[in-house]
Amino acid sequence: DAGVTQSPTHLIKTRGQHVTLRCSPISGHKSVSWYQQVLGQGPQFIFQYYEKEERGRGNFPDRFSARQFPNYSSELNVNALLLGDSALYLCASSFLGGGYNEQFFGPGTRLTVL
Amino acid sequence: AQKVTQAQTEISVVEKEDVTLDCVYETRDTTYYLFWYKQPPSGELVFLIRRNSFDEQNEISGRYSWNFQKSTSSFNFTITASQVVDSAVYFCAPVTDSWGKLQFGAGTQVVVTP
Repeated sequence: DAGVTQSPTHLIKTRGQHVTLRCSPISGHKSVSWYQQVLGQGPQFIFQYYEKEERGRGNFPDRFSARQFPNYSSELNVNALLLGDSALYLCASSFLGGGYNEQFFGPGTRLTVL
Repeated sequence: AQKVTQAQTEISVVEKEDVTLDCVYETRDTTYYLFWYKQPPSGELVFLIRRNSFDEQNEISGRYSWNFQKSTSSFNFTITASQVVDSAVYFCAPVTDSWGKLQFGAGTQVVVTP
C-alpha cells in the first residue's frame, strides 16, 4: 500500500503570496495532521483533522487554515506568506485520532519564501 | 505546561558502538504515550517505537531498546551495534492531547562513522 503522499515536493513563493499544500493519507486512515519544521528544529503542530472536523490547532496565526475532504485527503493553506514561513511542511496520517495511534508521516513539502 | 527536553544536540560514534539518547518529558499528566521518530537526511520522519508511561519495563525491538524511569520522567532510547544507516536526527515526541497531537523535542543528531 502507498504511504502518505504530499504535493508538491518543493515550492518557491514570494512574500505576500498564497500557497496550498496537499496531503493524501494512507488508505483507510481517517486522521490527518499538519506540522511545520523549520530548519534545525523539531516539527511544530499546526492542525489535526479527524472525520473532516478540526480536532486541534497549534499556535499559528489565522493566515494558516486547513480542511479535510470526504476522501480524507487534506489541504493546508497559508495566506500572506512571510519569510518566516519557509519550512518543511509535514503531513501525518493515522487510522484513528486517538493518542495511542501511530502517526505515519509523508515526505513533506519544502516551501521557500523569497 | 508540558516540556520535552532532548539535551544532547549531537552524538558521534564509530560503527558497532551502542548509542543512548535521552529524553525528559515534564508533565502533570500521569498517563501518556511517547513516540520516537527517526529523520534521515531524506527528511521523512520514520516511526520507531511507541511507549506508554505506566509501563516501566525495559523493551527491546530488534536493535532498538528503551528504558523509562518514572522518578525522573526520563526516556532513554538505545541503538545497539550502530550502523552507518542509523545516521539521522532522532526525535522523541509525547502525545499531549486525546487526539494525538505530538510535541516534538529539538532532536539529537546521531553520526555513525565506519
